[in-house]
Amino acid sequence: DAKTTQPPSMDCAEGRAANLPCNHSTISGNEYVYWYRQIHSQGPQYIIHGLKNNETNEMASLIITEDRKSSTLILPHATLRDTAVYYCIVRSILTGGGNKLTFGTGTQLKVEL
Amino acid sequence: EAQVTQNPRYLITVTGKKLTVTCSQNMNHEYMSWYRQDPGLGLRQIYYSMNVEVTDKGDVPEGYKVSRKEKRNFPLILESPSPNQTSLYFCASKRNSYNSPLHFGNGTRLTVT
Repeated sequence: DAKTTQPPSMDCAEGRAANLPCNHSTISGNEYVYWYRQIHSQGPQYIIHGLKNNETNEMASLIITEDRKSSTLILPHATLRDTAVYYCIVRSILTGGGNKLTFGTGTQLKVEL
Repeated sequence: EAQVTQNPRYLITVTGKKLTVTCSQNMNHEYMSWYRQDPGLGLRQIYYSMNVEVTDKGDVPEGYKVSRKEKRNFPLILESPSPNQTSLYFCASKRNSYNSPLHFGNGTRLTVT
């Protein structure tokens, strides 16, 4: 699976949009981009995933660049409860090893008043 | 409510005393997995199971056993725990389709003295 690069930390004011970048310059055509978050040692929580089109759900939007080498997770109106570590993961649909997700170090997002 | 349930949440034990951490899911997922999380090392997969009676090693299987006799349960067994197995453990499950997200339990914090 392709490696991802994320900034170690970001701050965001409550009510503003949080834009979390992820670089995956070695991504291949059969690899999806997944985003998970982990709130203070709780189990990681699935947020969203996409292949090449932009995606939106009730939690967030995922913007993938046309060349697919990077993506941005957008939390449109961040709240204090969005403070968490956000993981960007690239995973091939052809991956063996039983659906394994490889978690990096993620981005610690801190939402402040 | 759809969930992955782990027990216990916290466990303190002594070296060599066999223990079992239980994991149960109510979503009829085929795939289940165990991860451990350590500071600076992120989440690492211990074992996984694609379906009943099918298990396989992840990245760090040494010192652990698992079983999958029923679809909903996937216990993690430490036959002879050692202090280097002190960690935060997560169970996860998903459907076997490549596109489905991984659902995590809330974790078990194990301390081996």
